Amino acid sequence: KAGVTQTPRYLIKTRGQQVTLSCSPISGHRSVSWYQQTPGQGLQFLFEYFSETQRNKGNFPGRFSGRQFSNSRSEMNVSTLELGDSALYLCASSSGTGILNTEAFFGQGTRLTVV
Amino acid sequence: AQSVTQPDIHITVSEGASLELRCNYSYGATPYLFWYVQSPGQGLQLLLKYFSGDTLVQGIKGFEAEFKRSQSSFNLRKPSVHWSDAAEYFCAIQAGTALIFGKGTTLSVSS
Repeated sequence: KAGVTQTPRYLIKTRGQQVTLSCSPISGHRSVSWYQQTPGQGLQFLFEYFSETQRNKGNFPGRFSGRQFSNSRSEMNVSTLELGDSALYLCASSSGTGILNTEAFFGQGTRLTVV
Repeated sequence: AQSVTQPDIHITVSEGASLELRCNYSYGATPYLFWYVQSPGQGLQLLLKYFSGDTLVQGIKGFEAEFKRSQSSFNLRKPSVHWSDAAEYFCAIQAGTALIFGKGTTLSVSS
């Protein structure tokens, strides 16, 4: 079956702009999580959605937001971009039901560069 | 607070030699632990996971890991490294519905 699909793969934006990233999870998976990966901070959890509801949120400013649609596809938005938002943004999907089914499958990521 | 520490930033191993990557965690309850691998420009691939039971866990690509509660460790091992194993390796702990990752260890393989 198809894996986790993230679009676009690469993005260049200017400071102050906003950006929307998209993630299509594995068919049947209802949980989508987002992570930011930078050389300095490593992999950091942004938020997790399950059945269109945000279940968990990491320690990021309100400029970072997300949503999940009824088909489990998810988008994350970053407003008022800063240079420090340049990162690889990874999406992960899982069934989300029960601890033994929380194996996360990751997409290839969206590389965001803010100039 | 939960945390994961990978003490080695970069390791170089000769092809065919054995490998051990270290991972220490801090967690108040029974941990659910994972090892992921990331090749350049790619996402993360799960190598293995530990939830409970046997403390020696087998994974894909010939990797295994041993959970040692007394040492708060979950070290990754492979008896014979191949050049294709060169990548970045991440240890992670489940915290609710989130994963907390270590900073990663970059593995280089020399011929």
